[in-house]
Amino acid sequence: EAGVTQFPSHSVIEKGQTVTLRCDPISGHDNLYWYRRVMGKEIKFLLHFVKESKQDESGMPNNRFLAERTGGTYSTLKVQPAELEDSGVYFCASSRADRVETQYFGPGTRLLVL
Amino acid sequence: AQSVTQLGSHVSVSEGALVLLRCNYSSSVPPYLFWYVQYPNQGLQLLLKYTSAATLVKGINGFEAEFKKSETSFHLTKPSAHMSDAAEYFCAVSETPGANSKLTFGKGITLSVRP
Repeated sequence: EAGVTQFPSHSVIEKGQTVTLRCDPISGHDNLYWYRRVMGKEIKFLLHFVKESKQDESGMPNNRFLAERTGGTYSTLKVQPAELEDSGVYFCASSRADRVETQYFGPGTRLLVL
Repeated sequence: AQSVTQLGSHVSVSEGALVLLRCNYSSSVPPYLFWYVQYPNQGLQLLLKYTSAATLVKGINGFEAEFKKSETSFHLTKPSAHMSDAAEYFCAVSETPGANSKLTFGKGITLSVRP
């Protein structure tokens, strides 16, 4: 069984540009989460999808961040326009509907905004 | 609101020594508690979890943790450290899953193992 995959693994962009991160959860996992770790800080929750619906987006920092999960499969997280403080590692995780508490994490996307 | 405290940012032990990584939590509802490990250039891997069953939880790679409600703690231990245990360790808490299953993490602690 393939794990959670994320693309790209690294991204370096300039302030003001747009970046789109992709997450492919484990097949059959209804729950998909995005987290972010800014350097030197703790990993923080961004949002939670159940299938294609946003269950909780309380962690999204501002309206420059847009997450989608069309069809309830993969998800994208777009940052537009990117700011310096958006730099960090973005993690995606997924879990089964009947084992919600067990989240499996992807390797993360390392975003650097210059 | 939930929170997790992991004191210190770095722990160094000798190979074969006891590993003890501390975690204290705050939660207004019965929590689920987790330890994750991140090896260099990899994602987070679940080491073990407490979900209101046995208070002593055994995980992978010889790690275990004990839930102590009176101390609001969930410390991670391993009797004998291996070089391969060098990694960053994260303690996390979630509310008893229902509508809210998001994880709240501590800052993480880096474990170094000396030969």
